[in-house]
Amino acid sequence: KAGVTQTPRYLIKTRGQQVTLSCSPISGHRSVSWYQQTPGQGLQFLFEYFSETQRNKGNFPGRFSGRQFSNSRSEMNVSTLELGDSALYLCASSLGGRSGEQYFGPGTRLTVT
Amino acid sequence: GENVEQHPSTLSVQEGDSAVIKCTYSDSASNYFPWYKQELGKGPQLIIDIRSNVGEKKDQRIAVTLNKTAKHFSLHITETQPEDSAVYFCAATDSGAGSYQLTFGKGTKLSVIP
Repeated sequence: KAGVTQTPRYLIKTRGQQVTLSCSPISGHRSVSWYQQTPGQGLQFLFEYFSETQRNKGNFPGRFSGRQFSNSRSEMNVSTLELGDSALYLCASSLGGRSGEQYFGPGTRLTVT
Repeated sequence: GENVEQHPSTLSVQEGDSAVIKCTYSDSASNYFPWYKQELGKGPQLIIDIRSNVGEKKDQRIAVTLNKTAKHFSLHITETQPEDSAVYFCAATDSGAGSYQLTFGKGTKLSVIP
């Protein structure tokens, strides 16, 4: 069974631009969560989607948004990029029941210049 | 909200020795505690997890223990090998709340010296 895939793997953007990242979960998984990883703050929860609905949201500004499609694929968008948005963005998929087990993709490395 | 503290931040052991990483959590409602291993350039890999109704769980050379009263849990790796070198993260969440918001510790960089 294929794992979680994320595209693109690397991205360089300029301050003020916007970016869209994509995540395809493990087949059969209905929940997708997004995390930001930085050396200073570590791994921080952004939001979680289940059956196309945002089920939970972390403490990030409204510039960070996401959505989930009927095939469970998810995208996250960051508008008006800031230098501090440079990070590894990780997507994790889960069955969506009460098991809690989350499986991460390789991440998208975003650099904002 | 939940707060997870992880110690030590770095750990060096000789090949064949054991390694122990400890985490504490603050929210008594947390009931699911996974451990992840992250190698350079890769996403975190789930290596073992434990739920609050279990005190200990083992999988080959890896074991995790949970003390609900003290709100701490630990990862034990025995007979360490060079390929165990990576950054390890503990996490906690209340999986029964319908939320999958994992709160992570800051990570432990484990180096296994051949």
